[in-house]
Amino acid sequence: DAMVIQNPRYQVTQFGKPVTLSCSQTLNHNVMYWYQQKSSQAPKLLFHYYDKDFNNEADTPDNFQSRRPNTSFCFLDIRSPGLGDAAMYLCATSPGAITYEQYFGPGTRLTVT
Amino acid sequence: AQTVTQSQPEMSVQEAETVTLSCTYDTSENNYYLFWYKQPPSRQMILVIRQEAYKQQNATENRFSVNFQKAAKSFSLKISDSQLGDTAMYFCAFMKHASNAGNMLTFGGGTRLMVKP
Repeated sequence: DAMVIQNPRYQVTQFGKPVTLSCSQTLNHNVMYWYQQKSSQAPKLLFHYYDKDFNNEADTPDNFQSRRPNTSFCFLDIRSPGLGDAAMYLCATSPGAITYEQYFGPGTRLTVT
Repeated sequence: AQTVTQSQPEMSVQEAETVTLSCTYDTSENNYYLFWYKQPPSRQMILVIRQEAYKQQNATENRFSVNFQKAAKSFSLKISDSQLGDTAMYFCAFMKHASNAGNMLTFGGGTRLMVKP
């Protein structure tokens, strides 16, 4: 009965080697978010899509990009991962402007070697 | 910009007892929403309880209740009859009133709660 699905759950990549994390949802929500959560820290919003409209947080590094080809899927691309990008990456969704709850996926833990 | 502060990095409580987690926030907004999210070890984050700032009545969800003090900008979470399954990281979060650009959460630093048998 999964609602927000993230694949893979664990990803290992090499320093500088591009990596893509994926998120899919069965909720048909308008908004999809990507958060970065480093160990024992609060999630930090990287960007979000409201439908097809992309909204980047001001302090999100250019190294991070995102794609949303359709309502169900959203991808996080890290062009040249550095050691500091090792973290848990959380995807979340919400219906939109009227309902405020965000539904989180289980996260993808990224290791950079 | 909004800030959310959780002053207790770690707390512990005995099973069946009551514990209160603190949260304060700073904002110039008048319409907003406050949340407590729970993140169990190696599991996904789930919503515990939410409060609309325009409501004076404190929100309650079974064993979880909040003490919302708007003037003091305080939003504490009380867990009654603590259970082992309540062991988790708890995040307090703030959201401005909805906009067409989506609803951004600002999280506090989290409180790690351990329930002891």
